[in-house]
Amino acid sequence: SQQGEEDPQALSIQEGENATMNCSYKTSINNLQWYRQNSGRGLVHLILIRSNEREKHSGRLRVTLDTSKKSSSLLITASRAADTASYFCASRNYGGSQGNLIFGKGTKLSVKP
Amino acid sequence: ETGVTQTPRHLVMGMTNKKSLKCEQHLGHNAMYWYKQSAKKPLELMFVYSLEERVENNSVPSRFSPECPNSSHLFLHLHTLQPEDSALYLCASSGEENTEAFFGQGTRLTVV
Repeated sequence: SQQGEEDPQALSIQEGENATMNCSYKTSINNLQWYRQNSGRGLVHLILIRSNEREKHSGRLRVTLDTSKKSSSLLITASRAADTASYFCASRNYGGSQGNLIFGKGTKLSVKP
Repeated sequence: ETGVTQTPRHLVMGMTNKKSLKCEQHLGHNAMYWYKQSAKKPLELMFVYSLEERVENNSVPSRFSPECPNSSHLFLHLHTLQPEDSALYLCASSGEENTEAFFGQGTRLTVV
């Protein structure tokens, strides 16, 4: 089943503004992860939040997790043109020695200088 | 560089060809993954190997055949593909259980 549905699908903001992306998932998770992808390239891991955590920070990134609503949000503060990329959430499910890592469709962020 | 290397970066093949994609990691990870990324669709998990054993196969057509000879290498063998198989194929690896994945740069596959 599809996990990690992000919204919005596309977001365009000015440099210096904050960008918020949301993600919903469907089943119980071990953790939820956010990734970034520049056009046509591989994904780069940004931040991981465990199911027993509610908020996590890394530099200009802030991630929240609400397991009761099965949702997460990624906030990028003081955005820069270099933040332009697609952002994906991925849920790490329970089960198996590694569990599945299931991605959503992503949010395409455009930061204008 | 993430430590995961995929070759080739680009591949054009006919529907009757046989080709292989290669993925290599020297991060000491014990799990490796193949994902397919098509336009306007989520990343599709194709195969998962953990400790060189296949643990997940998400109903992928048999024209895709994975091989994991050791914990550092993963292959995806392709034969008699269809044009709709054209996509970016991404390899990833992860270490300890339930940690983050490290991705290669992908192979852009075009089936003509």
